[in-house]
Amino acid sequence: DADVTQTPRNRITKTGKRIMLECSQTKGHDRMYWYRQDPGLGLQLIYYSFDVKDINKGEISDGYSVSRQAQAKFSLSLESAIPNQTALYFCATSLGDRGEETQYFGPGTRLLVL
Amino acid sequence: SQKIEQNSEALNIQEGKTATLTCNYTNYSPAYLQWYRQDPGRGPVFLLLIRENEKEKRKERLKVTFDTTLKQSLFHITASQPADSATYLCALGGAGGTSYGKLTFGQGTILTVHP
Repeated sequence: DADVTQTPRNRITKTGKRIMLECSQTKGHDRMYWYRQDPGLGLQLIYYSFDVKDINKGEISDGYSVSRQAQAKFSLSLESAIPNQTALYFCATSLGDRGEETQYFGPGTRLLVL
Repeated sequence: SQKIEQNSEALNIQEGKTATLTCNYTNYSPAYLQWYRQDPGRGPVFLLLIRENEKEKRKERLKVTFDTTLKQSLFHITASQPADSATYLCALGGAGGTSYGKLTFGQGTILTVHP
C-alpha cells in the first residue's frame, strides 16, 4: 500500500462549490504539506503543518483552508471553488529532523473547476 | 523575493550521453538543496540532497554539485537511458526563519532521452 494517499484522484466541480481534498499517510511523519502544481510553474506551497496543533499558511493560501484531523490526516478545502483553482494538487509529508528533510509525495488530485 | 530558475524548460539528449541540468537561485541562502524526479501524472520522488557545506554528492549514475558562491546547483545523469526521461525539480530548503521546514521548488526541466 502507498505510504501517502490522496482522495479523490480526479474531481470535476462547478464554480462556487465547496470541495475537500483528503490526504492520509502511514509514514508516521509529523509534518504535512499541501502544494498545487500548474504547468510551467512548479510546485507552490498552499499550507503546511508541523504537528496536529500547528497550521501555517504557505505562498498561496488565499481561497483555501486546511484541517489537521490527526497526525495521519491533513485535508485541504476550497470554500468556493473558482476556475483558476484548476490544477494538480499534491500532499507531502516529512520527518523534518536534520538529515530527514526529504518530502514524500502522494499521487496527486487533478481538479477541474468549471 | 526568492527566485529559483532551472536552466531550460526542456532538454533533449541521446542515450548514453550525460545530461546536465542547472538550478540557479537568487535572494536565498539555503541550508540544503534537493533534486526530485517527477513522471507524468505522478508525485515527485526524492533523488538527492546536498548541504550548503558540501560541494558534490553522488548516487549511482547521478551527481549533484552545489556552489553557494555562484548560487547554482548542477545535476548530472551519466550514461543516460530512455527510462531517465522525466521532469526534474530542484528545491531549496532553509534551516531557520521563515524558510524553516519548507521547500521552495523550481519550475522543473523536462528531460527526454532519445534511443
